[in-house]
Amino acid sequence: DQQVKQNSPSLSVQEGRISILNCDYTNSMFDYFLWYKKYPAEGPTFLISISSIKDKNEDGRFTVFLNKSAKHLSLHIVPSQPGDSAVYFCAASAHKFYFGSGTKLNVKP
Amino acid sequence: DTEVTQTPKHLVMGMTNKKSLKCEQHMGHRAMYWYKQKAKKPPELMFVYSYEKLSINESVPSRFSPECPNSSLLNLHLHALQPEDSALYLCASSQAHDSYNSPLHFGNGTRLTVT
Repeated sequence: DQQVKQNSPSLSVQEGRISILNCDYTNSMFDYFLWYKKYPAEGPTFLISISSIKDKNEDGRFTVFLNKSAKHLSLHIVPSQPGDSAVYFCAASAHKFYFGSGTKLNVKP
Repeated sequence: DTEVTQTPKHLVMGMTNKKSLKCEQHMGHRAMYWYKQKAKKPPELMFVYSYEKLSINESVPSRFSPECPNSSLLNLHLHALQPEDSALYLCASSQAHDSYNSPLHFGNGTRLTVT
């Protein structure tokens, strides 16, 4: 049973607008959450993370929000750029990392 | 450029072949990982090495044999694989295993095809 789920396999957004990628988890023992970006023919690249003691972490255009009561994680990209088009994986950690199945983001010029 | 280097990028092997995948990192990380990823699926953990010792084996078949010669190198020896083992094999490293706030850094993977 998957402990980390990304229910939207794809998302299409206009350049300059906000992209919101969502992730849900089931294990309340997870204490560290991450987002990765993956281009074709490359490995996942670490983007941003958040520990369970926080509810928000920002890094430039990327902000991760954590709602522990809802067991929900989201990544906001503002403004979205065509170069952001990639597959985004969320991950959660409790002794080892668990990954979601990914959301393919397409940012249209 | 990724700081975790994997070779080869592509590998085609028959079911009777023996081959090895190699991974190298020079970030001073003490934990190294092998993941397997099939198309449209999340990466699946195979092995974790912590301080050059195998700490996690996710019930991987013995036709996959990991080796950590030193803290910078990680190998995956392959023997008698099956076509269903065809996948992208990703190596990753982190500052330490089971360490709070220590993200994984991935290589670009080896695309393995078993014929």
